[in-house]
Amino acid sequence: DAKTTQPPSMDCAEGRAANLPCNHSTISGNEYVYWYRQIHSQGPQYIIHGLKNNETNEMASLIITEDRKSSTLILPHATLRDTAVYYCIVRPPDSNYQLIWGAGTKLIIKP
Amino acid sequence: EAQVTQNPRYLITVTGKKLTVTCSQNMNHEYMSWYRQDPGLGLRQIYYSMNVEVTDKGDVPEGYKVSRKEKRNFPLILESPSPNQTSLYFCASSPRLGIGQFFGPGTRLTVL
Repeated sequence: DAKTTQPPSMDCAEGRAANLPCNHSTISGNEYVYWYRQIHSQGPQYIIHGLKNNETNEMASLIITEDRKSSTLILPHATLRDTAVYYCIVRPPDSNYQLIWGAGTKLIIKP
Repeated sequence: EAQVTQNPRYLITVTGKKLTVTCSQNMNHEYMSWYRQDPGLGLRQIYYSMNVEVTDKGDVPEGYKVSRKEKRNFPLILESPSPNQTSLYFCASSPRLGIGQFFGPGTRLTVL
């Protein structure tokens, strides 16, 4: 079973920040939080990952709460091309690539 | 351009006819994986490889074989395909553990 809980769907207006929440209340101390997205049956795309500090890259920001039980992926200026299913995944750093994928959040960006 | 390629992208075949789906990456990545994606079940790992000649089973390996004779290639072999292997297949690679994976474009397989 997936170790994360995400809302099944969200809407966001184009140009606004999209904030996607993820609960991972059973996360262990050495487990990382990864975010991927999948645009309509294309190959999933890696976005960002983090352990406990907030992270930012050219695509998004990842905010992890101090207790690490939840996180938020932020797309600062959403565009129509950001419409996709977003997956939040937790995994230990030394595990194999057996990522446990949940159902994700379907994010719809509206003009 | 750094990428993971899969061939074929679409395949319709019949039960029992052996097939191979190729996967190749040009990023010199050590780690490669195969996943299948089915409605309502999400992505499930079939096999993975941590380096040349090192492969291991994922969640759903039954009915599949893989090989890793070269670092860049990781073919998925279905010796005797069955209709329950109709699915969307993705190959992925990564430079090392702990880094995000790069996924290929997918292969849509239909077994009649």
